[in-house]
Formats: sequence, structure tokens, C-alpha cells
Amino acid sequence: RKEVEQDPGPFNVPEGATVAFNCTYSNSASQSFFWYRQDCRKEPKLLMSVYSSGNEDGRFTAQLNRASQYISLLIRDSKLSDSATYLCVVGLSGNTGKLIFGQGTTLQVKP
Amino acid sequence: DAGVIQSPRHEVTEMGQEVTLRCKPISGHNSLFWYRQTMMRGLELLIYFNNNVPIDDSGMPEDRFSAKMPNASFSTLKIQPSEPRDSAVYFCASTTGSWTADTQYFGPGTRLTVL
Repeated sequence: RKEVEQDPGPFNVPEGATVAFNCTYSNSASQSFFWYRQDCRKEPKLLMSVYSSGNEDGRFTAQLNRASQYISLLIRDSKLSDSATYLCVVGLSGNTGKLIFGQGTTLQVKP
Repeated sequence: DAGVIQSPRHEVTEMGQEVTLRCKPISGHNSLFWYRQTMMRGLELLIYFNNNVPIDDSGMPEDRFSAKMPNASFSTLKIQPSEPRDSAVYFCASTTGSWTADTQYFGPGTRLTVL
């Protein structure tokens, strides 16, 4: 079983749609959680951190459910520029700096 | 700041040749990570350093791979001898400290093709 699992998609949605991605992680001792975005043939970049209380950044909302070991990302009012691969990322316990990346979910927003 | 710098950006080599990938982390960052990304396996952590010391190399696929960080501003990943299955994009990333909550900043990657 992979440590971080995501539905690879692709998710094909029209502009303006709301889309949600989910992710599960296996290590219950995980301490930190993130969503990274990766554009085609580019490097991953931090989109947002995920907190237990849930957090929002503009059109993006991230949620964490520690009991179910589940992370989600909601994108409202999708834009063409949101087309990318979204990587669910988990940081392990301890001060090692090590992150585990999911395989990513591909989003294609169409006009 | 220039960000994480990697060289070369593209490398095409023949099976059996030695390949050296280079990385310059962001100045002041204490941790450096080498990743490999393929369609089949996604992004895999190969090795990471904290304050120039290798902390975990359990992701290094085999003895053909080696990594060094002689100082805080430079690291290399070497493959000797290279094989076609090593073809991938290799990313270097750095972060300010050793706490997992720190953002990792990735370089643009080296696209390696082994013929």
C-alpha cells in the first residue's frame, strides 16, 4: 500500500465548475500536510498547507480529517489556469524535513 | 533570490556512461533533497541532507547511485554506470530547516535520457 494515495484522474471540468480532490495517508503519526501544484514539465510548487481546522486561500479550500487520515482540496470557480497536477503531500513525525508525495491528480479545465 | 539551481537541464547519454547532476540550494537553506520523477512511480525521494550530512539514503535505488554535499551551497547526484531505466526527471529541493512544516523549494529539474 502506498503511503499517500490519490485518484490520478484526469478530472476534466468546464470553466467555473467546482472540483474536489481527495487523498488518504497511511502513517497515523504524520504531522504536516500540504497540497503542491505541478504544471506540465515544471517543478512542484507549494499551493497551500493543510490544517486540522481547515483553511482557505481564495478559491481553494483544504480540509484535514486526522481520524480518517484523509485530506481534501476543493477548487471553486475553476479557471483554465488551474489545469495542472495536484500533489497531496505528507510530512512525517520528527524533525527530519522528509515529505512523502502522492502520485498526483491531474485536472484539466476546459473552456 | 535565484531559487534552487540545477544543471544540466537536459542530459542524453548512452548506457554505461557516468552521469553527474548538480544542485545549488537556496542560500541559507539547511536541508537538501534529491527526488526522481517518472510516470510510473511518481515523485520518489532518493536521499536528503541536513547541514550537509546525509540523513536518509534509503530511497537510493542501488549502488550505482551516489550523492554528496561537500558544502552548504553544492550537491551532486552521480549515476555510474547509467542504465535506460534511470531515465527520469531528477529534482533537487531545499528548505530552511529540518522541520517538516517548512516549504520545500524545487529546482527546475534535470531531464535524463539514457539510451
